[in-house]
Amino acid sequence: GNSVTQMEGPVTLSEEAFLTINCTYTATGYPSLFWYVQYPGEGLQLLLKATKADDKGSNKGFEATYRKETTSFHLEKGSVQVSDSAVYFCALSASNNQGGKLIFGQGTELSVKP
Amino acid sequence: DTEVTQTPKHLVMGMTNKKSLKCEQHMGHRAMYWYKQKAKKPPELMFVYSYEKLSINESVPSRFSPECPNSSLLNLHLHALQPEDSALYLCASSQEGGGIETQYFGPGTRLLVL
Repeated sequence: GNSVTQMEGPVTLSEEAFLTINCTYTATGYPSLFWYVQYPGEGLQLLLKATKADDKGSNKGFEATYRKETTSFHLEKGSVQVSDSAVYFCALSASNNQGGKLIFGQGTELSVKP
Repeated sequence: DTEVTQTPKHLVMGMTNKKSLKCEQHMGHRAMYWYKQKAKKPPELMFVYSYEKLSINESVPSRFSPECPNSSLLNLHLHALQPEDSALYLCASSQEGGGIETQYFGPGTRLLVL
């Protein structure tokens, strides 16, 4: 079946550090890939997405490239801020997922210190 | 506009109470979802409605009863809940509810069952 694996947290960084959160997936066919962010006490917000191989999603300084050859969708940001502290979820949607189900990774908690 | 709204934001209820959660979207989406989320875990799918018909019930106990009065509105009726049902309840919507789609989430209702 389809699955998503992302690096475990928590990840603690200093402000302005470089961020990478690894995400790899297993899926048949050509899934779409997503990063969602959940700030403390809030719901999930769509951060970025990519719908086909080699697509790069980007938003708010975050980027992720859909790599079919390595089945990966790693999240990166060049310089994190305290306000980026949140839980980040990698997810996929595939045509063989019943009812358009999203398959989530376990989430990675990011804490950015000033 | 990619807004999904949920009310109430917080809810405290006893095990004998009956309450309802409400979700609304005005994006013209025809699929709506209920998820349950425990702290720092990924959301777990509960129900999917597509074109106002229940298409997925992930073996959710009958003390949770979903209702979709129209394509913009989704309710979750709660009765005789248990303390372990305390969680963040998230609503989401997408274009149609099949295949590969982007889901947009609301801010959630934080439920505490005493």
